[in-house]
Amino acid sequence: GGIITQTPKFLIGQEGQKLTLKCQQNFNHDTMYWYRQDSGKGLRLIYYSITENDLQKGDLSEGYDASREKKSSFSLTVTSAQKNEMAVFLCASSTGLGVYEQYFGPGTRLTVL
Amino acid sequence: TQTVSQSDAHVTVFEGDSVELRCNYSYGGSIYLSWYIQHHGRGLQFLLKYYSGNPVVQGVNGFEAEFSKSDSSFHLRKASVHWSDSAVYFCAVRRNNYAQGLTFGLGTRVSVFP
Repeated sequence: GGIITQTPKFLIGQEGQKLTLKCQQNFNHDTMYWYRQDSGKGLRLIYYSITENDLQKGDLSEGYDASREKKSSFSLTVTSAQKNEMAVFLCASSTGLGVYEQYFGPGTRLTVL
Repeated sequence: TQTVSQSDAHVTVFEGDSVELRCNYSYGGSIYLSWYIQHHGRGLQFLLKYYSGNPVVQGVNGFEAEFSKSDSSFHLRKASVHWSDSAVYFCAVRRNNYAQGLTFGLGTRVSVFP
């Protein structure tokens, strides 16, 4: 089996700060995703990537950048953290498109002071 | 567009009870539905999926789900819950743009008491 790791587990930032979240997978999956999870709002897709160096915007991409320089890693940058923001960011990967399940990392919990 | 509705935000049951979590969807394309479980502080884990064939699908840890095209539903069931089943359960439907993966419901929190 494989695993998805996310670093850091907890991230505390200041308003206006640029913050980077990292995700690594050893499944050798082509497709990777970043989701934002807010209490009561489910999961919202921020960015996804169907292969190395591919980047596609999801439903909530404003205020974020992403990077997929290697097949195994997918980074997300909060370009300017918003005061009092609090959310969990989940990274996931999948073998391909269509009928394939997604495998999730444990998440990074962001708090902005 | 595809949508997923989970009518119960929170369900409370006792150990050994059965539980059914409701999921209704709207989707115009080729069906792919799934359920995921999220334990506190963890990522989501895949439970089961349906995209064709027998409308009753079996998943891990005794979970099963039944697809109904007429009701646009994909309800999750377990005959006898354990305290370790306490978690949030998400229903998901495949997006029209397959590359975007899944649209998730808001989740149903299940609390199992001894």
